[in-house]
Amino acid sequence: NAGVMQNPRHLVRRRGQEARLRCSPMKGHSHVYWYRQLPEEGLKFMVYLQKENIIDESGMPKERFSAEFPKEGPSILRIQQVVRGDSAAYFCASSPPSQEAFFGQGTRLTVV
Amino acid sequence: AQSVTQLGSHVSVSEGALVLLRCNYSSSVPPYLFWYVQYPNQGLQLLLKYTSAATLVKGINGFEAEFKKSETSFHLTKPSAHMSDAAEYFCAVSRFTGTASKLTFGTGTRLQVTL
Repeated sequence: NAGVMQNPRHLVRRRGQEARLRCSPMKGHSHVYWYRQLPEEGLKFMVYLQKENIIDESGMPKERFSAEFPKEGPSILRIQQVVRGDSAAYFCASSPPSQEAFFGQGTRLTVV
Repeated sequence: AQSVTQLGSHVSVSEGALVLLRCNYSSSVPPYLFWYVQYPNQGLQLLLKYTSAATLVKGINGFEAEFKKSETSFHLTKPSAHMSDAAEYFCAVSRFTGTASKLTFGTGTRLQVTL
């Protein structure tokens, strides 16, 4: 059983471009969470999704950020019109209901 | 609201010495507490978790943590440090049993192990 897979591992975008981060949860996991880690900081919760539903997006910036977890395929975190302040490591975690989550290795986004 | 405070952003110990990483929490409801380790350019790995069972929790790699409600603490310890323990350690709190839903993380403690 493969772990939580995130791709790409590293992503470089110019200011104003779009960034798409993908997360494939572990087999059998129906819950996906996205966290952001800014340099020298801890992880901050962004959004919690189940298949086709956003359960809690209280940590998502109101503009430019969106997330989805379709019935088929990976979860996608999308950042439109990236700015330098979006440079961070973005981690995905997945879990079955009411059990601990497992983290992926993260996508490191650099905005130049 | 829940929060976690990790005292000491950097801790350095000698190989073989005791490791003590401090974590204090604030929670309006009985908390579930976690320690994670992050190696460079890697994701987070769960070391151990407290979910209201035994107050002394044993984890992987020889680590353990004790939940002390009176002190609102959940400090991480290991009797004898190994070079491979050098990493960043995060304490986290959640309201939900075992899920990562809205884990609130501390800012992390970077552990350095010297010869």
